[in-house]
Amino acid sequence: QSVLTQPPSVSGAPGQRVTISCIGSSSNIGAGYDVHWYQQLPGTAPKLLIYANNNRPSGVPDRFSGSKSATSASLAITGLQAEDEADYYCQSYDSLTWVFGGGTKLTVL
Amino acid sequence: QLQLQESGSGLVKPSQTLSLTCVVSGGSISNSDYPWSWIRQPPGKGLEWIGYIYHSGGTYYNPSLKSRVTISVDRSKNRFSLKLNSVTAADTAVYYCARNIVEVVAATGSLSRWFDPWGQGSLVTVSS
Repeated sequence: QSVLTQPPSVSGAPGQRVTISCIGSSSNIGAGYDVHWYQQLPGTAPKLLIYANNNRPSGVPDRFSGSKSATSASLAITGLQAEDEADYYCQSYDSLTWVFGGGTKLTVL
Repeated sequence: QLQLQESGSGLVKPSQTLSLTCVVSGGSISNSDYPWSWIRQPPGKGLEWIGYIYHSGGTYYNPSLKSRVTISVDRSKNRFSLKLNSVTAADTAVYYCARNIVEVVAATGSLSRWFDPWGQGSLVTVSS
């Protein structure tokens, strides 16, 4: 049981927009801690995608964006591409520990 | 460019101790103000943070694993290590090392904490 709740799967056709939610509580996201997102391509390690709610590291396309409000956060992907098919994880901070969502599998139809 | 590489025992018997090492290249552990973490991912499941260590040797562990975990650092070899004792099949996972980033983000003025970069991961199977 993950501290942060994500939908197990989402899907979309190429070119479409999809969003992935990350629901927390008053002890993590709701306490003001930032949310970060990672992309894990099949068979590889997670890679930082969004940090501090809505900041993209160098090299991450602007098709990826993040937002945060109250006790939840969202990752949006626009102009969906086949190479975006991966698992996505949100991460925050709670009671002195780093916590993750259970992950969302994105399927590009 | 900072890179991390895990290595260690791929197969461990139940009740024994899992040992992994993470070698850091492209940067010095001693010069880093950030801590260094271990994170694991059971097959087909999500991520779990195990604990971190600073170059000074200061550590903090996930309370759920604290009784079985030891993380140490070897500054002379620019690496840090994980030991997890009394393992069971539930400890079977891909183990990643990663650098923690802990920074004040300009946009919010608050302290923010994330992981970057990550090692490629090392699969450890617990089986007799």
